[in-house]
Amino acid sequence: DIQMTQSPSSMSASLGDRVTITCQASQDIGNNLIWFQQKPGKSPRPMIYYATNLANGVPSRFSGSRSGSDYSLTISSLESEDMADYHCLQYKQYPRTFGGGTKLELK
Amino acid sequence: QIQLVQSGPEVKKPGESVKISCKASGYTFTQAGMQWLKQAQGKSLKWMGWINTNTGKTTYAADFTGRFVFSLETSASTAYLQITNLKNEDMATYFCARAAFAYWGQGTLVTVSS
Repeated sequence: DIQMTQSPSSMSASLGDRVTITCQASQDIGNNLIWFQQKPGKSPRPMIYYATNLANGVPSRFSGSRSGSDYSLTISSLESEDMADYHCLQYKQYPRTFGGGTKLELK
Repeated sequence: QIQLVQSGPEVKKPGESVKISCKASGYTFTQAGMQWLKQAQGKSLKWMGWINTNTGKTTYAADFTGRFVFSLETSASTAYLQITNLKNEDMATYFCARAAFAYWGQGTLVTVSS
């Protein structure tokens, strides 16, 4: 199975900060990665498809990038509504596998 | 608009069975597969597998073979997840999600307690 190592597992940041969350894939997944945002008691919401493509309706302060086997989700200027859990998912191979998640909190 | 609506929370005893439904609307049910995912409290998501809504063929992740069954009622645009012989570690929220993960159900909390 492909392992997705996500870091950090939690972080606190201030409004307006630039925040970056990373997932490292144990095998080649190409750009077959989705970033999700999940708020308490809610379903995950896809934010970034195919590693770098913004999903419909997602604010432009969110972006995705790739460097080799490292995939990053960046929030350019943190807003209060961005406080949530973030998950990466690879869909290159079965079984689909998620990173361990990142809890983003307000400092 | 596309919606996936899941059945309500369940409270079961160890050893019992549970069947969760996921009713789709807003699209042709058989044109997109349905996936099932598990999220234990405070944990990340685990992909359980998926069912081809056109053929009924199922694919299960290794951790979800034997006691987990995906099924369909195509005439009702509904997918089901059944878990038999419930164990404490099955206590979680279960989600259905349409292929490509763009649309998700609201989740169904299964509580397992003696």
